[in-house]
Amino acid sequence: QKEVEQDPGPLSVPEGAIVSLNCTYSNSAFQYFMWYRQYSRKGPELLMYTYSSGNKEDGRFTAQVDKSSKYISLFIRDSQPSDSATYLCAGPARQLTFGSGTQLTVLP
Amino acid sequence: DTGVSQDPRHKITKRGQNVTFRCDPISEHNRLYWYRQTLGQGPEFLTYFQNEAQLEKSRLLSDRFSAERPKGSFSTLEIQRTEQGDSAMYLCASSLARGQHEKLFFGSGTQLSVL
Repeated sequence: QKEVEQDPGPLSVPEGAIVSLNCTYSNSAFQYFMWYRQYSRKGPELLMYTYSSGNKEDGRFTAQVDKSSKYISLFIRDSQPSDSATYLCAGPARQLTFGSGTQLTVLP
Repeated sequence: DTGVSQDPRHKITKRGQNVTFRCDPISEHNRLYWYRQTLGQGPEFLTYFQNEAQLEKSRLLSDRFSAERPKGSFSTLEIQRTEQGDSAMYLCASSLARGQHEKLFFGSGTQLSVL
């Protein structure tokens, strides 16, 4: 079992929709998590990091961790075509361990 | 540009040839990582350096792979006797390891195609 599992998608939504991206993790020792955004043919770009349970908000993005269920979520409000990318969740295994990514397309 | 820089962006080689990639991290960052990413997958850890010391290598890193960071600044990743299975995006990342919450910053990667 991979330490971080992610819904593979792909996910296609209309512009303005609320997007929910989800991951699960297996290692109870994980204390913080990161979301990376990766555009085609580019390296991953750090979007948000969050630790402990609860929500963290940054503009249109909200990261949520539920430690009881080992569930990580990223919500995007008022999604834009420029949000079209692959979103990767990551947890701090011995080294940063990534999910397989969810490809998101926001249609204008 | 003060980000992580990787060179070349693309490399096409024939099976059996040796290739070398270079990574220039963000200047004040003391940690440097190499990851490999194949289509539809997240990056997989290969190895990392703290300054010039190589502290960990993944089981993914076969004997044909070698990485160096001679002066604790730039790093090179060499693959000897390339195989078609080595075709992937090779990503470099750097971080300033401080406290618990390490943030990795990635370069744009080197896309390797082995024919």
